[in-house]
Amino acid sequence: SQKIEQNSEALNIQEGKTATLTCNYTNYSPAYLQWYRQDPGRGPVFLLLIRENEKEKRKERLKVTFDTTLKQSLFHITASQPADSATYLCAPGPGSQGNLIFGKGTKLSVKP
Amino acid sequence: DAGITQSPRHKVTETGTPVTLRCHQTENHRYMYWYRQDPGHGLRLIHYSYGVKDTDKGEVSDGYSVSRSKTEDFLLTLESATSSQTSVYFCAISERQGNGYTFGSGTRLTVV
Repeated sequence: SQKIEQNSEALNIQEGKTATLTCNYTNYSPAYLQWYRQDPGRGPVFLLLIRENEKEKRKERLKVTFDTTLKQSLFHITASQPADSATYLCAPGPGSQGNLIFGKGTKLSVKP
Repeated sequence: DAGITQSPRHKVTETGTPVTLRCHQTENHRYMYWYRQDPGHGLRLIHYSYGVKDTDKGEVSDGYSVSRSKTEDFLLTLESATSSQTSVYFCAISERQGNGYTFGSGTRLTVV
C-alpha cells in the first residue's frame, strides 16, 4: 500500500537557522507533491506544490525539492522565525482515488 | 477559512445516535472531501465528491455516508455514532485534481 513517512515527529531549531523537513514515500510514484502548514485547532493551509518534472520550487523563504529517484521531498524554511512554529504536512498525489495522501506531519518549533 | 465553512464546530453526542456534519463552500469548486484527523494517524480520507450527486468512498468510509445535492454543500452522516468515531473532521475543497486543497476549520466530535 502507499506509504508516506515524515521522518521527524518534532524538530526544534534556533531562530534564524534553516529548518529542513523530510518526506519519503513508498509503493507509488506521485505526479506531484504538496506541502501544508497546520496550526493547533486549525485546518491545514496549502503552501506549495511541486510536480514530478520539477526539481525545486521556491516561495519567499520556502524551498521544496522533489527527488523521484530517492522518492523523497525536502522542505526548507530559511531564516526561520518563531512564527514558523507549526506542524507541516506533506501530501503526495494523486492517490488511488485521485486524492491527496497525507503524511502524519512534523511539528516544528523555532526558539527565539 | 475563506470560502468554506463547517458546522458545527464542536459536538458531543451519545453512542448510537445519528450525527450530520455540514460543509458549505462559496467557491463553486467541483471537488469536496471529508477527512478525519487522529493522533498517530494523520489525515485519512472518509469520502469525497467530484460533482453533484457524485461521491465515492475513501480509505475509512465504514460507518459514514455522504450526500451532495448542491455544488456548495457536502454532508457527512455518522449513521450510528461509536466512540471510535471521536475525532476532528475536516472538509476540504479543490477546483480540480492536483490543485491545492482549501480546508475548513474542522469539527471536533466527541462520542460518549
